[in-house]
Amino acid sequence: DAKTTQPPSMDCAEGRAANLPCNHSTISGNEYVYWYRQIHSQGPQYIIHGLKNNETNEMASLIITEDRKSSTLILPHATLRDTAVYYCIVSAYSGSARQLTFGSGTQLTVLP
Amino acid sequence: EAGVTQSPTHLIKTRGQQVTLRCSPISGHTSVYWYQQALGLGLQFLLWYDEGEERNRGNFPPRFSGRQFPNYSSELNVNALELEDSALYLCASSPRAGGNQPQHFGDGTRLSIL
Repeated sequence: DAKTTQPPSMDCAEGRAANLPCNHSTISGNEYVYWYRQIHSQGPQYIIHGLKNNETNEMASLIITEDRKSSTLILPHATLRDTAVYYCIVSAYSGSARQLTFGSGTQLTVLP
Repeated sequence: EAGVTQSPTHLIKTRGQQVTLRCSPISGHTSVYWYQQALGLGLQFLLWYDEGEERNRGNFPPRFSGRQFPNYSSELNVNALELEDSALYLCASSPRAGGNQPQHFGDGTRLSIL
């Protein structure tokens, strides 16, 4: 699986959009981009995933650049409960290797 | 719809003992994954089960083992516990082998070794 690079920490004001970047310059054509978040002492929560088109669900939007070498997770109106570590993962889900490889992630702190 | 459930939530053991952790996947999911998250470290992949078979394992010693039952629930067994096994053990499930369906995680079992 391709390696990802994320900033270690970011702050965001409550009610504003949080834009979390991720670089995955070695991504392969069959690898998807997945975003998870982990609030302290809980299991990772799935947020969104995509291959090459932008995606949106009730939690967030995922913007993937045309060359697929980077992506941005957007939380449109951040709340205090969005404070968490956010992980960007690329994975091909091949037949013999379906595990997710978690990096260090980005600690997002939403400030009141 | 119920999410992935794990039991127990907390466990305290001593060195040399054995432990069994349990996981029930989301209904309809056939794949179960186990991960270890030691304090201050990232999630490390342990095992993947699908349709009752072990499909892949991470870089962990053989004293870490498990199984998947016909109802797709799973157990993780750890023998000869060591202090370094203290960690949050997470289970995840996904709908089927192959494809891009995401894994969904439970809230884990926190294992403390004294």
